[in-house]
Amino acid sequence: DGGITQSPKYLFRKEGQNVTLSCEQNLNHDAMYWYRQDPGQGLRLIYYSQIVNDFQKGDIAEGYSVSREKKESFPLTVTSAQKNPTAFYLCASSMGDPMDNEQFFGPGTRLTVL
Amino acid sequence: AQSVTQPDIHITVSEGASLELRCNYSYGATPYLFWYVQSPGQGLQLLLKYFSGDTLVQGIKGFEAEFKRSQSSFNLRKPSVHWSDAAEYFCAVGAIHSDYKLSFGAGTTVTVRA
Repeated sequence: DGGITQSPKYLFRKEGQNVTLSCEQNLNHDAMYWYRQDPGQGLRLIYYSQIVNDFQKGDIAEGYSVSREKKESFPLTVTSAQKNPTAFYLCASSMGDPMDNEQFFGPGTRLTVL
Repeated sequence: AQSVTQPDIHITVSEGASLELRCNYSYGATPYLFWYVQSPGQGLQLLLKYFSGDTLVQGIKGFEAEFKRSQSSFNLRKPSVHWSDAAEYFCAVGAIHSDYKLSFGAGTTVTVRA
């Protein structure tokens, strides 16, 4: 079954701790994305990667970091520098440019910082 | 830069009635326009997409959308709503040379009453 896996579904962390969210895809997609979703604000792009070993900042990259060492994996680290990390985080992937290739989304991880 | 406005935060519709969700975009050239649906606590699924050609686009689950350049709109419609259509709907806009970035609207939540 092809798709995108995000783990864990729910994550609780204390303020000041770094936390890493997992995203794995077996769709053989080149491009992967991380979005943050807050109520009433839609989705905002954090980081994206067009190809393995390369990634770019999105619109709200401050306080986040990523790596893309393998084609199928794109983990997101929420650092202590992120001022308001509590949110729903969505990972997505596409074969190529999302204008011409459908983005497929994972089920999301809800992060709560206490 | 491109942007999207979804004027309606919440819409309630009776099962079997028609549904129309509004989307207005801002972009100088011809945009790529998308509608996504998100069930509670889940990722997003693409309903349909427009770039060029016929301004009336058919999508999955019986949805259609019409591109109106003169009004900068891309409204989503469904003739007869089913209870399973209760979800949040997002309009998104992208463009050639936008570096893999889509801009999402804030979303419209649809409630279906029996």
